[in-house]
Amino acid sequence: GAGVSQSPRYKVAKRGQDVALRCDPISGHVSLFWYQQALGQGPEFLTYFQNEAQLDKSGLPSDRFFAERPEGSVSTLKIQRTQQEDSAVYLCASTFGGGRNTGELFFGEGSRLTVL
Amino acid sequence: SQELEQSPQSLIVQEGKNLTINCTSSKTLYGLYWYKQKYGEGLIFLMMLQKGGEEKSHEKITAKLDEKKQQSSLHITASQPSHAGTYLCGARGNRDDKIIFGKGTRLHILP
Repeated sequence: GAGVSQSPRYKVAKRGQDVALRCDPISGHVSLFWYQQALGQGPEFLTYFQNEAQLDKSGLPSDRFFAERPEGSVSTLKIQRTQQEDSAVYLCASTFGGGRNTGELFFGEGSRLTVL
Repeated sequence: SQELEQSPQSLIVQEGKNLTINCTSSKTLYGLYWYKQKYGEGLIFLMMLQKGGEEKSHEKITAKLDEKKQQSSLHITASQPSHAGTYLCGARGNRDDKIIFGKGTRLHILP
C-alpha cells in the first residue's frame, strides 16, 4: 500500500513478556517517528530516525524500550519485560525530508498494546 | 522543553455553528501542524503553517499562525457532523527537531 503500515494492529501481552512492533514507512521517506498515545491523550514523542540514524531517543520512557531502523526503512520498536503502564497505542509516522523537512507527517493506524 | 497547550479540551457545538480551537506554545515555533483523529484511527493531516501571520484554508477549516509564531487557531465555519473528532496541534522548535503534540481538543457536533 501507499501509506505507513504498522503491525500488529492489536497485541495483548502478559506482564513481563517482550513485544516487538513493526513500522513500514512510505517508500523513500527519510524521517521516521515513534509516538505513544494513551487513551484520551495526545501522542507523546518516543524517538526519531533520519535514515538509519537515531537522532533523538529522549522520549523513550525507560531502558526497556528500544527502537531500531537498521537499513533506513522498516523500523521496530521493542519493549522488554512489559508493564501495565506500557498499555497504549503506539503510532509510527514518516515524512520525506530529513533536515530539509517542512512537510506533512504521515501516520500509520497504530499498534494497540494491552498488557495484562 | 517546549510544550503545547490546547484549548478548550472538549467542545460541543450545534451543527451549523462556527467554532475555534487554540494552540499555544511556550516557545517560538519553526512549524505548526494541525491534525484530526477519529477514535481508534491514525492522525489525518489538515494543514501546516510556518510563517508568522500565515493563514491557510481547506474547505470550511481555516488555520492561522500569529506573528510571533507562538499561537495558532483553527476555525471551522458552519460545522458538520463530519467535523467531529479530536483535533491535535503539533509543532517543532527548529528544522531538525522532533515534532511534539498537544493533548487534543475533542469536538462533538450535535445534529
